[in-house]
Amino acid sequence: DAKTTQPTSMDCAEGRAANLPCNHSTISGNEYVYWYRQIHSQGPQYIIHGLKNNETNEMASLIITEDRKSSTLILPHATLRDTAVYYCIVVEDQGAQKLVFGQGTRLTINP
Amino acid sequence: DVKVTQSSRYLVKRTGEKVFLECVQDMDHENMFWYRQDPGLGLRLIYFSYDVKMKEKGDIPEGYSVSREKKERFSLILESASTNQTSMYLCASSFLGVWNSPLHFGNGTRLTVT
Repeated sequence: DAKTTQPTSMDCAEGRAANLPCNHSTISGNEYVYWYRQIHSQGPQYIIHGLKNNETNEMASLIITEDRKSSTLILPHATLRDTAVYYCIVVEDQGAQKLVFGQGTRLTINP
Repeated sequence: DVKVTQSSRYLVKRTGEKVFLECVQDMDHENMFWYRQDPGLGLRLIYFSYDVKMKEKGDIPEGYSVSREKKERFSLILESASTNQTSMYLCASSFLGVWNSPLHFGNGTRLTVT
């Protein structure tokens, strides 16, 4: 079973920052937080991941709370092409061989 | 960029047919995966492989088998297709374990079994 809780859907205006929350209150110390997204009719695409520290790459930023029970994915300047389903996934260090995808958040970027 | 290529984008087969779904990755990745995606059920893992000729069952292996004779190729086989196997099938690969190495997905094969 997925170990994360995300809102079912969100809207954001084009050009604004999109902040997608994820709750993972049962996360353990050796579990990473991963974010993927799936644009309609395509396979999921990796965005970013982190363990404890905040992370940034060319696509997004990941903010993880100090207690690690929640995180936020930030798309700093959302475009229409960012409309997709976003999945937050926790992955156990070492032992896991698979990702468990939940239902994700359907993000709609409006012009 | 890593490329994961699935041989067919759309496939229509009849009940009882043997179906082969092919997946090729071009980055020398150790691990390969087959998922299926259905509305309301999300992505579910069918099988994965962490080395040539090695395979492990995922959450829903019934009715499926896999083959990995070469590192770059991972095939999903439906021994006798049934209508409840109508779905979107997604192949993925990763360099290392999924905890420290992103999965790279193909664009999927939409299979319809009539």
